[in-house]
Amino acid sequence: DAGVIQSPRHEVTEMGQEVTLRCKPISGHNSLFWYRQTMMRGLELLIYFNNNVPIDDSGMPEDRFSAKMPNASFSTLKIQPSEPRDSAVYFCASSFIGGYTFGSGTRLTVV
Amino acid sequence: GEDVEQSLFLSVREGDSSVINCTYTDSSSTYLYWYKQEPGAGLQLLTYIFSNMDMKQDQRLTVLLNKKDKHLSLRIADTQTGDSAIYFCAETPSGGYNKLIFGAGTRLAVHP
Repeated sequence: DAGVIQSPRHEVTEMGQEVTLRCKPISGHNSLFWYRQTMMRGLELLIYFNNNVPIDDSGMPEDRFSAKMPNASFSTLKIQPSEPRDSAVYFCASSFIGGYTFGSGTRLTVV
Repeated sequence: GEDVEQSLFLSVREGDSSVINCTYTDSSSTYLYWYKQEPGAGLQLLTYIFSNMDMKQDQRLTVLLNKKDKHLSLRIADTQTGDSAIYFCAETPSGGYNKLIFGAGTRLAVHP
């Protein structure tokens, strides 16, 4: 099993541009989570899905952020327009029952 | 409410034991977890404990759970330089769907 796969690993973009982060969960896992990690705020849960359905998006910072899970094997997190304060490492994780498996993260830098 | 608190930094000498502490607020949490994050990597599940247990041992790792005080600890015996990382405590609050709430993480520094 290749684990949770995130792409890209690094993304540098200019303020105002659209950014799309991608995640492939582990096959058979029915829950998927998007987290953001910064030095100031630590790990923040942005949104999570269960059986492809968004359950709780209360952690999404504002309307510029959106997430989709069109099928059990793929999810995206989109930021439009991006701002410098969105710079962070974004993690995707999936689980079936119990502990999560995390991806390696996408390091986003907005200049 | 949901909140998990940890001390931010711990420094130990190689070969000594490390004890990382955590407090949580949701008394109905089913599982409590310890994750390890090495530089530039994602979080790796280290160990977990079910809420009806008070201790779990796994090689060099010992987890102690005090449900009355909502206190969780992770003890690493014979700490090695490779143990240097950030350690996160996490709880699963009531409500299902496996949602995890993480603490801020404790940075463990191991020095010779």
